[in-house]
Amino acid sequence: EVQLVQSGAEVKKPGESLRISCEASGYSFISYWISWVRLVPGKGLEWMGRIDPSDSNTNYRPSFQGHITISIDKSITTAYLHWSSLKASDTAMYYCARHVLGGEFDYWGRGTRVTVSS
Amino acid sequence: DIVMTQSPLSLPVTPGEPASISCRSSQSLLHSNGYNYLDWYLQKPGQSPQLLIYFGSKRASGVPDRFSGSGSGTDFTLEISRVEAEDVGLYYCMQALQTHTFGQGTRLDIK
Repeated sequence: EVQLVQSGAEVKKPGESLRISCEASGYSFISYWISWVRLVPGKGLEWMGRIDPSDSNTNYRPSFQGHITISIDKSITTAYLHWSSLKASDTAMYYCARHVLGGEFDYWGRGTRVTVSS
Repeated sequence: DIVMTQSPLSLPVTPGEPASISCRSSQSLLHSNGYNYLDWYLQKPGQSPQLLIYFGSKRASGVPDRFSGSGSGTDFTLEISRVEAEDVGLYYCMQALQTHTFGQGTRLDIK
């Protein structure tokens, strides 16, 4: 059974760093890209970036470039989304999803809620 | 960036009646391989998004046949033949031709 299990909710202060995770199981990890998608209430879904686990190639939406880093650890079939300096505007629900290049997002994680507040 | 525009943004529907959502892209999503790189997703309240339609018109596994997708190039439509109470939520189109972009979302609720 394909599963994407995301890490738990986080509460952080502005300027702090954070890494959230997405552990994949039930399929060949290197055969599917992992994308990260943000949901801000009232604003809809927003694609942030993606990584190809076969070679760690990444693509980012321009508005997120330089603010986030997507990485993987193949040994534990886990993808990560990292911020070095959070802003209040990063408060959102974050989802990981798997897909082939150009393909549909067929499996999604349950989401990780991130709250950034002073 | 390819810009995706959905309409309407709000869609109240009587159960048993049909519903239709439009999605337009700023560039053609038709690949040289003949596929349109356009997907539809539904996010039900409190749940993760789920795939409904991929390549513009292919229904995902387990999706009821009351859902159908059509269109090509820059204009696409998601149709629900007879809306049920469980269909409430936010519907999104997403292009996958050049990285990914979602539409703004269409909120379907029951009258």
